[in-house]
Amino acid sequence: QVQLQQWGAGVLKPSETLSLTCAVYGGPFSGFFWSWLRQPPGKGLECIGKIDEFGVISYYNPSLKSRVSISMDIHKKQFFLHLSSVTAADRATYYCARVPYTSFHLDVWGTGTTVTVSS
Amino acid sequence: QSALTQPASVSGSPGQSITISCTGTISDIGTYDWLSWYQQYPGKAPKVMIYEVTQRPSGVSNRFSGSKSGNTASLTISGLQAEDEADYYCCSFTADRGFVVFGGGTKLTVL
Repeated sequence: QVQLQQWGAGVLKPSETLSLTCAVYGGPFSGFFWSWLRQPPGKGLECIGKIDEFGVISYYNPSLKSRVSISMDIHKKQFFLHLSSVTAADRATYYCARVPYTSFHLDVWGTGTTVTVSS
Repeated sequence: QSALTQPASVSGSPGQSITISCTGTISDIGTYDWLSWYQQYPGKAPKVMIYEVTQRPSGVSNRFSGSKSGNTASLTISGLQAEDEADYYCCSFTADRGFVVFGGGTKLTVL
């Protein structure tokens, strides 16, 4: 059974860079988009971006595009999120998720990483 | 403001059926069948309940069903159970972004 395990720093100071890793276990890396999403406390889900197995970024959320970077290491079956210059508005639970090429739904999710930004 | 519009809350009694609507535009729901629904319990990651408008992943109860008409999609839960109390999000591919957008979420209360 495919699992996504994610980790990274949960407490940041304003202006620091958020860095998260998501590792894929029990399934292939190829044949899927790999996505990052976030959910502010008490609010809905927001897509941050997605990357394919070739490292091609085909979507970044326009509101975050200037600060976000998604990359991957196919050999380690990991993908990464970096969000620079964080502020209190970036406080959220961040999720990684898998998206099949053929159906554009998020079929496997990580457990989430809660990120707090505080001076 | 979310790209897709859902009611903020719905409620029903055990055994009843409820329907959650999700309204989009011709750029998303109206054109593409890449429409999915997610169930989320507090503090947990979302779980896909319906994909491609009507398809249920293995292990999801057949009490959950999906449909679409024009720019509006619907999730119906029949035989409501206490365990169905959760937040539900619709999600659609949109040509505007080349990826997906979500609705604002609907809180289902089982009375």
